[in-house]
Amino acid sequence: DTGVSQNPRHKITKRGQNVTFRCDPISEHNRLYWYRQTLGQGPEFLTYFQNEAQLEKSRLLSDRFSAERPKGSFSTLEIQRTEQGDSAMYLCASSLPTDRGNEQFFGPGTRLTVL
Amino acid sequence: GESVGLHLPTLSVQEGDNSIINCAYSNSASDYFIWYKQESGKGPQFIIDIRSNMDIRQGQRVTVLLNKTVKHLSLQIAATQPGDSAVYFCAENTVSFGTGTQLKVEL
Repeated sequence: DTGVSQNPRHKITKRGQNVTFRCDPISEHNRLYWYRQTLGQGPEFLTYFQNEAQLEKSRLLSDRFSAERPKGSFSTLEIQRTEQGDSAMYLCASSLPTDRGNEQFFGPGTRLTVL
Repeated sequence: GESVGLHLPTLSVQEGDNSIINCAYSNSASDYFIWYKQESGKGPQFIIDIRSNMDIRQGQRVTVLLNKTVKHLSLQIAATQPGDSAVYFCAENTVSFGTGTQLKVEL
């Protein structure tokens, strides 16, 4: 257990439905990242926050995807009008960058299946 | 648990041997690199990092080598153990992950 939790662990939904995932980072970490991972691939960066500010979004991130971190603690990732291509593992990570480096701690992920 | 290693390059080693996993990166301006280990059904786990002003960094049983001239990174694992079996990813500038290498340790 890294200290980063994600809920739900699994989500099955029908195409066209909206889904929302939650990530609870390590409490003192100011950075929070979202990634998507499909089988056989490395994690693909989606977006990251520093405290409550969303500082970067991947150009690959569809406008159907939105993320929030309203109080600089937990974060939510919403996918609207889901498509079968959205099926993947969604990973959250948190970190507290220092001069020594930026070690990310990953949660166990939310597995999304779109039927 | 689910497999993260489908269709990945695979390195098979005997228990006790040393392992070398390689990674080519794309951005010559990258200045920070990380190696992660990912076991089935789990998120990636940090192993070791290195900044571009270094050529080598050592941890416990692991060494990372950085060759900026050819944009190449390697992870060396000494005395490989069955628990080292996993998929290994390099990442540049924190968020850009490579495709990974499956390490299989044979008894």
